[in-house]
Amino acid sequence: AQKVTQAQTEISVVEKEDVTLDCVYETRDTTYYLFWYKQPPSGELVFLIRRNSFDEQNEISGRYSWNFQKSTSSFNFTITASQVVDSAVYFCALSEARAAGNKLTFGGGTRVLVKP
Amino acid sequence: NAGVTQTPKFRILKIGQSMTLQCTQDMNHNYMYWYRQDPGMGLKLIYYSVGAGITDKGEVPNGYNVSRSTTEDFPLRLELAAPSQTSVYFCASSSRQGSPTNTGELFFGEGSRLTVL
Repeated sequence: AQKVTQAQTEISVVEKEDVTLDCVYETRDTTYYLFWYKQPPSGELVFLIRRNSFDEQNEISGRYSWNFQKSTSSFNFTITASQVVDSAVYFCALSEARAAGNKLTFGGGTRVLVKP
Repeated sequence: NAGVTQTPKFRILKIGQSMTLQCTQDMNHNYMYWYRQDPGMGLKLIYYSVGAGITDKGEVPNGYNVSRSTTEDFPLRLELAAPSQTSVYFCASSSRQGSPTNTGELFFGEGSRLTVL
């Protein structure tokens, strides 16, 4: 069965520091999709990125970047020059292509606290 | 578009009571889901549906029931509320695999906070 592990439960940084969130996954499927969602203190879930298993290119979007490495089954997320508004819980998730219904399996989340 | 709408946003139940969490989406998505999020934890899948009339269990289905009579609606029923069901419940939807609009992304409602005392 698929599994997503986010070993860091909480990370505290000072504003403008970089922060990297680790995500390790397990799957037997050869085609799968990896996601990151953000959950700010208000509680809603905000989609950040989706990555296909056959596309190992790293991606950068503003201050956010993602490093996907199939060899280590990792999909890490870096926030560069963190800001107070980045304070949130971040979830990594996995969806297997052959599983019915696009179901997502979530990691336990990493709480990021950015102090001014 | 409203996206995914859940009601109620907050509810307090007594042990043994029953209730239904409502979920509706206006994006014509085939797939719908119910997740629960316990304090400080990730989301766990309760039930999901790949289309009207088709539902299936997720990781933590015990104590819940669902139905999917229309594409838009996917209510979650708690028959005999227990303190262990105190959680935040999220409904979500996504487009069908293989459809031109399918990004695999799940669109979430704002959540329903349920407390069982």
